[in-house]
Amino acid sequence: DTGVSQDPRHKITKRGQNVTFRCDPISEHNRLYWYRQTLGQGPEFLTYFQNEAQLEKSRLLSDRFSAERPKGSFSTLEIQRTEQGDSAMYLCASSFGGGESGNTIYFGEGSWLTVV
Amino acid sequence: GQNIDQPTEMTATEGAIVQINCTYQTSGFNGLFWYQQHAGEAPTFLSYNVLDGLEEKGRFSSFLSRSKGYSYLLLKELQMKDSASYLCAVVTGTASKLTFGTGTRLQVTL
Repeated sequence: DTGVSQDPRHKITKRGQNVTFRCDPISEHNRLYWYRQTLGQGPEFLTYFQNEAQLEKSRLLSDRFSAERPKGSFSTLEIQRTEQGDSAMYLCASSFGGGESGNTIYFGEGSWLTVV
Repeated sequence: GQNIDQPTEMTATEGAIVQINCTYQTSGFNGLFWYQQHAGEAPTFLSYNVLDGLEEKGRFSSFLSRSKGYSYLLLKELQMKDSASYLCAVVTGTASKLTFGTGTRLQVTL
C-alpha cells in the first residue's frame, strides 16, 4: 500500500508528557498537511508544508505544537506538555500540487491521541 | 470568516437516492471537495468541483453553484456500505487549505 501512513495509530499519554507523531506521505507528493479532528466535527487545518518549507500555521497551533519536514519527505508533529484538550485524531494528508488546482488531497488513517 | 453548513444526520433506505447539501460562505474559493469517512477511518476522496455544474462518477454525483455558495452530493442506488459521514470541504487561498463542514452522518437502512 503506497498511501499516506501515520504512526502511531493510537497513543495514550499522561497530561504534561510530550508526544510525537510521524507521517509518511505518498511518494513524490510535495505538499503535506496536518489536520486535527474531534468527535462529531470535521477536520481542522493545523499546518502545511511545500517540500521542506512550512508555509502556513493555524492559530490553533499553539506554541506547544511544532511540526517539521526536514528533507521534504516524512513529517513529524510534536505536542509538548500535553493537555486533555489535545485529545483528538491527528490527520496527515498529502498532494502533488495544490487542491486549488483540483489535485486530490489524500488523507492518512490518523493518529488517535488520548490525554489522561 | 469561514462558514460551511451541512445537515448533521440523514437516514435513507437501501436502493434509494439521497442528496446531501452543503452551503458555504468563505473568504476565497478555489474549489470544493467531498470526502467519505467511515467511523475511525481516514477521509477518502469522492469528488472535486471548481466550475458550476454537475460532475458524475458512478453512483456518486456532485453539483456546484458558486453564485449561490451551494453544493450537493447525490448518492444513487444506496448500499449499506454507504453508511458513513460525508464531509464537504472548501479550498481557500493559495495554501490549498481545506475548510471542512462538520460532516453529515448518513445511515442506510433496509
